[in-house]
Amino acid sequence: AQSVTQLDSHVSVSEGTPVLLRCNYSSSYSPSLFWYVQHPNKGLQLLLKYTSAATLVKGINGFEAEFKKSETSFHLTKPSAHMSDAAEYFCVVSDLGNAGNNRKLIWGLGTSLAVNP
Amino acid sequence: GAGVSQSPSNKVTEKGKDVELRCDPISGHTALYWYRQSLGQGLEFLIYFQGNSAPDKSGLPSDRFSAERTGGSVSTLTIQRTQQEDSAVYLCASSLSYSSYNEQFFGPGTRLTVL
Repeated sequence: AQSVTQLDSHVSVSEGTPVLLRCNYSSSYSPSLFWYVQHPNKGLQLLLKYTSAATLVKGINGFEAEFKKSETSFHLTKPSAHMSDAAEYFCVVSDLGNAGNNRKLIWGLGTSLAVNP
Repeated sequence: GAGVSQSPSNKVTEKGKDVELRCDPISGHTALYWYRQSLGQGLEFLIYFQGNSAPDKSGLPSDRFSAERTGGSVSTLTIQRTQQEDSAVYLCASSLSYSSYNEQFFGPGTRLTVL
């Protein structure tokens, strides 16, 4: 069965320094992978998605993620953090193994990113 | 265009009462999803609709939970005989169709508090 593990529940960085939010997944088949962001008092928003094309995926707000099949990882990175990046980030996997009504999106528990001035 | 809307935004109810949560998806989106987000937890998938059909109801926590969708548009999630552990934010999302490739657009959620 597929699963998602976000390795850090909380990450704190200084403004202008790199961001790394880690995600490992388990999937029987070729997965689709997503990162969503949830800002305080706002709805969830898609940051980026991997769907078996390029392994390095670029998203909004300068974020990117690299799909590494050998490591079963899909870590989210950004070269320079901004105060507005402070939010909750969710890694999501969708297993394409079972077609039709058994496909589900499995959500990680989230990583809370704090950006310090 | 308008995004996904949910009503009410907040609902406080007494244990044992029934509640009904509503979701209006983006026009033209055939897939609709319900999730539950408890404090400090990730999103828990409850159910999805493709059109008016819900192929997989196994995510619903108990038989007190039910959902329906009519006309391929509005959906309601009903919780009967609410319990305190039902307290959570209930999120609705929609996408063009049920596919792993389709971005899900989320509503602002309904915060349910069961006293």
